[in-house]
Amino acid sequence: DVKVTQSSRYLVKRTGEKVFLECVQDMDHENMFWYRQDPGLGLRLIYFSYDVKMKEKGDIPEGYSVSREKKERFSLILESASTNQTSMYLCASSLGGSGRYEQYFGPGTRLTVT
Amino acid sequence: DAKTTQPPSMDCAEGRAANLPCNHSTISGNEYVYWYRQIHSQGPQYIIHGLKNNETNEMASLIITEDRKSSTLILPHATLRDTAVYYCIVGEAAGNKLTFGGGTRVLVKP
Repeated sequence: DVKVTQSSRYLVKRTGEKVFLECVQDMDHENMFWYRQDPGLGLRLIYFSYDVKMKEKGDIPEGYSVSREKKERFSLILESASTNQTSMYLCASSLGGSGRYEQYFGPGTRLTVT
Repeated sequence: DAKTTQPPSMDCAEGRAANLPCNHSTISGNEYVYWYRQIHSQGPQYIIHGLKNNETNEMASLIITEDRKSSTLILPHATLRDTAVYYCIVGEAAGNKLTFGGGTRVLVKP
């Protein structure tokens, strides 16, 4: 089974702090994704990566950056956390390539910025 | 990306088939239809996807109309554990940009 793990289930940070959210997948997947989920807004794509050191902006990249130094690890960085970044953050990965498009999600990190 | 329209909620009786509709009238030729579900406090779970033909796996069946403007996810024998929010999504073949809308909140009742 594919396993996607996220570094924390719950996180509380103060406004202005730098925040790192880590995601690791164990199935040698090419693609990795970061989403945030807010009530009434569904899941929204922040960034994705289709290869090591490669990244693409999603629908709401403002205020976020990402890093993918190794294939199995994709980090989401909040350079200066703000209260409007309080949300559930979900990481996902997919194999990529012909016919393998399904995304596998981690359990999520609920981030509260105070 | 094309957008989808789903009913906000529906109830289903345990043991009966659950038919979840989805409209995607602006889908383009190379876009797939994906279904995911999210059980409370968990990350979304992939269910099934298709391009033109109907598809079936151990979880569900996907029926896509001939004009591809709508589809139906069928859970053949709903159980209480199928209570979740079900998302219908259309996306490119590479699966890179999946836009999740509001989904359908399905409540399976005993």
